[in-house]
Amino acid sequence: DAKTTQPPSMDCAEGRAANLPCNHSTISGNEYVYWYRQIHSQGPQYIIHGLKNNETNEMASLIITEDRKSSTLILPHATLRDTAVYYCIVRVSYNFNKFYFGSGTKLNVKP
Amino acid sequence: DTEVTQTPKHLVMGMTNKKSLKCEQHMGHRAMYWYKQKAKKPPELMFVYSYEKLSINESVPSRFSPECPNSSLLNLHLHALQPEDSALYLCASSQEKGVLNSPLHFGNGTRLTVT
Repeated sequence: DAKTTQPPSMDCAEGRAANLPCNHSTISGNEYVYWYRQIHSQGPQYIIHGLKNNETNEMASLIITEDRKSSTLILPHATLRDTAVYYCIVRVSYNFNKFYFGSGTKLNVKP
Repeated sequence: DTEVTQTPKHLVMGMTNKKSLKCEQHMGHRAMYWYKQKAKKPPELMFVYSYEKLSINESVPSRFSPECPNSSLLNLHLHALQPEDSALYLCASSQEKGVLNSPLHFGNGTRLTVT
């Protein structure tokens, strides 16, 4: 039931912005987009979520297109500690507890 | 640090053993989840409890038996496992039913090895 598509891997230079894309073309009007990341051998860490407006918190920014069919997670100044697998998840409205992970993007931050 | 605590961190068991994984949260969440994660794969949903009742079973084999004794605790009882069941088992919790705008909070998992 994964409803998202992400590139398998991306590289980013340390100190630069990392822009991670996600396609969710079948998203419904009341379904939220969530982003998590998972550093090796740890549990997934919540980053940010949004419905239609752009969102920002201390970790990242989330840009959602006007048609809501895609979004971008922005880490403004990537550090080596941001190296992780980043998951984009759509929380389906027909069964909100079916919180399915897609395949994710491995972000490699390089010095 | 995580607000969802899982024990043990590591577990090695034989195929004839019975063991249990434990998960605890004190955030007042009423939905709790078990996920299984194989190496280099995303987490896969196994079970969901809502208000201490099993609401989702993703066709998990009966050798995995979940239990939610109260709103803060979630157990996963293991019996007669196979080596292919070796994985990272993750617990998560979230606010009550009907809240789409509510993140899941994950523990750091139990690394299970079946010999």
